[in-house]
Amino acid sequence: SQTIHQWPATLVQPVGSPLSLECTVEGTSNPNLYWYRQAAGRGLQLLFYSVGIGQISSEVPQNLSASRPQDRQFILSSKKLLLSDSGFYLCAWSPGGVEKLFFGSGTQLSVL
Amino acid sequence: AQSVAQPEDQVNVAEGNPLTVKCTYSVSGNPYLFWYVQYPNRGLQFLLKYITGDNLVKGSYGFEAEFNKSQTSFHLKKPSALVSDSALYFCALNQGGKLIFGQGTELSVKP
Repeated sequence: SQTIHQWPATLVQPVGSPLSLECTVEGTSNPNLYWYRQAAGRGLQLLFYSVGIGQISSEVPQNLSASRPQDRQFILSSKKLLLSDSGFYLCAWSPGGVEKLFFGSGTQLSVL
Repeated sequence: AQSVAQPEDQVNVAEGNPLTVKCTYSVSGNPYLFWYVQYPNRGLQFLLKYITGDNLVKGSYGFEAEFNKSQTSFHLKKPSALVSDSALYFCALNQGGKLIFGQGTELSVKP
């Protein structure tokens, strides 16, 4: 069966420090991969999605970037964190098309 | 632009009563609609989806949703609410393989 792993679960970082959040999927190949951010425990904002290795689409211009170095690995990065980057970050995968998304357990990022 | 809206920030119901969480959508073409639930500090869990076919969709944990094309709605329902149903509920629209979420509705079920 397919599983999605996302880590770390919580992260506290100072303003101006770099960020790297990793997400991996097991049990499937060529998944669509997604990064969402949830602010203040409410609405989810799609940040990036990827349909294949090296193919990244950015939905919102911001201080973050994403990379997909391997088929089932999706990384969210920042060179210098801002206070406004704080939030709950969720990775997800889908088989593509109109199928449902499967979400990871999330990373709570606090930038101080 | 395609979108989903959840008009209620919070819904309060008594345990054992029926519950409805509202969702409306705006699309050009056929809508592909989903409901997800989120418990505190957790990822989202899939409840049900409407792609085509029967307007009444049955999902996990006794939930169902009714697709209404004329009212452009996809309300989530359950005949008898449980305290354990208390959570944040999201309606979502599939747009080209991406899910666009509503703002969420906090459901509180009191004993």
